[in-house]
Amino acid sequence: DIQMTQFSSSLSASVGDRVTISCRASQNISIYLNWYQHKPGQAPRLLICKASRLQGGVPPRFSGSGSETGFSLTISNLQPEDSATYYCQQSYSTPYTFGQGTHLEIK
Amino acid sequence: QVQLVESGGGVVQPGRSLRLSCAASGFSFATYGMHWVRQAPGQGLDWVALTWYDGSHKYYADSVKGRFTISRDNSKNTLYLQMNSLRAEDTAVYYCVRDSGYDYGGNSGDHWGQGTLVTVSS
Repeated sequence: DIQMTQFSSSLSASVGDRVTISCRASQNISIYLNWYQHKPGQAPRLLICKASRLQGGVPPRFSGSGSETGFSLTISNLQPEDSATYYCQQSYSTPYTFGQGTHLEIK
Repeated sequence: QVQLVESGGGVVQPGRSLRLSCAASGFSFATYGMHWVRQAPGQGLDWVALTWYDGSHKYYADSVKGRFTISRDNSKNTLYLQMNSLRAEDTAVYYCVRDSGYDYGGNSGDHWGQGTLVTVSS
């Protein structure tokens, strides 16, 4: 199975800051990397698929990059509503494993 | 708009069975693959199973293989998860998730239900 590692379990930043969340795959997954935002009591929301493709309705403040084993999600101009847990997931091969999640706190 | 509504969760004793359902609407259900994803209390997201649009191919996490069965009834726009030999570690919120398709979305989960809670306890 492919292991997904998010190196930061939590981050704290201020409104207007830019943050980057990293994710590493245990083997080459090409660009089959997805990012989700999950807020308590809500369904998870797909932000980015195929490493960098922004989903419709997602603010352009969110961007994704990377390929093969290294990926990142960048959120610019942080807003209070960005407080959430962010997960990466590989969809290169089943089982489609998730990273452990990164909790983002907005100060 | 796309709607996915899970049902069937509840409290069940270890070793017993439970079947979850997911009623889909707002899209052509028979043309999309579907997933189940779960989240145990205080834990992260955990992919459980995937079925192709026509049910011809099914894939499972190692932790549920041989105990859980994903299925679908395209005439009823409904996805199922039959869970047998339940364990305490299966306690989680179970989400029904639409697959985006390979070409555009790389098999990501582009729409999620609100989830249904399964508690395995004696």
